[in-house]
Amino acid sequence: DAGITQSPRHKVTETGTPVTLRCHQTENHRYMYWYRQDPGHGLRLIHYSYGVKDTDKGEVSDGYSVSRSKTEDFLLTLESATSSQTSVYFCAISTTGPNTEAFFGQGTRLTVV
Amino acid sequence: QKEVEQDPGPLSVPEGAIVSLNCTYSNSAFQYFMWYRQYSRKGPELLMYTYSSGNKEDGRFTAQVDKSSKYISLFIRDSQPSDSATYLCAMSADTGRRALTFGSGTRLQVQP
Repeated sequence: DAGITQSPRHKVTETGTPVTLRCHQTENHRYMYWYRQDPGHGLRLIHYSYGVKDTDKGEVSDGYSVSRSKTEDFLLTLESATSSQTSVYFCAISTTGPNTEAFFGQGTRLTVV
Repeated sequence: QKEVEQDPGPLSVPEGAIVSLNCTYSNSAFQYFMWYRQYSRKGPELLMYTYSSGNKEDGRFTAQVDKSSKYISLFIRDSQPSDSATYLCAMSADTGRRALTFGSGTRLQVQP
């Protein structure tokens, strides 16, 4: 798992509530990513980070925000959860650069009811 | 149109068969190509990583990249039931602040 821990692993929340997912790494790597995985769409990039307080949007960033105040933690927040955000969320890190291989956490299964 | 296209399958083969998994892509800037394996309810794990064109072999796995055709392949020899999983291709360009773009994955079932 390349030292990546996602929490929580499962969550059910109500529409309109804020939700924060946490990704913690023990390897001190610079590059971190949040993806969501949905049937028929594969993995789609939500946000990514190239270092502390250095974040940028991916292809499906609407409705999501991120923060990275420490190298080891990358937080994903759903400001006001909607049913379309029901998905499996994966955190990933790159060990050597933004265009090289990424290593993934075990995922967070989020259901918005 | 998606930047990366991958047949979702499912692909069912008998144990011992040679498996061919493929992706096509449209972005000619892609230079880095990867294959991931994902078991049910698990995170993707990296199988193969190649840069630019050519072949790379690792045990029973061979990755091929044909940039002129914008086509990549993963071959699995002597397939085993433990190879049953979803296989995702991924790629990225050599420019700027980018991350990986993934195919939607092909589900493989190897029958004992």
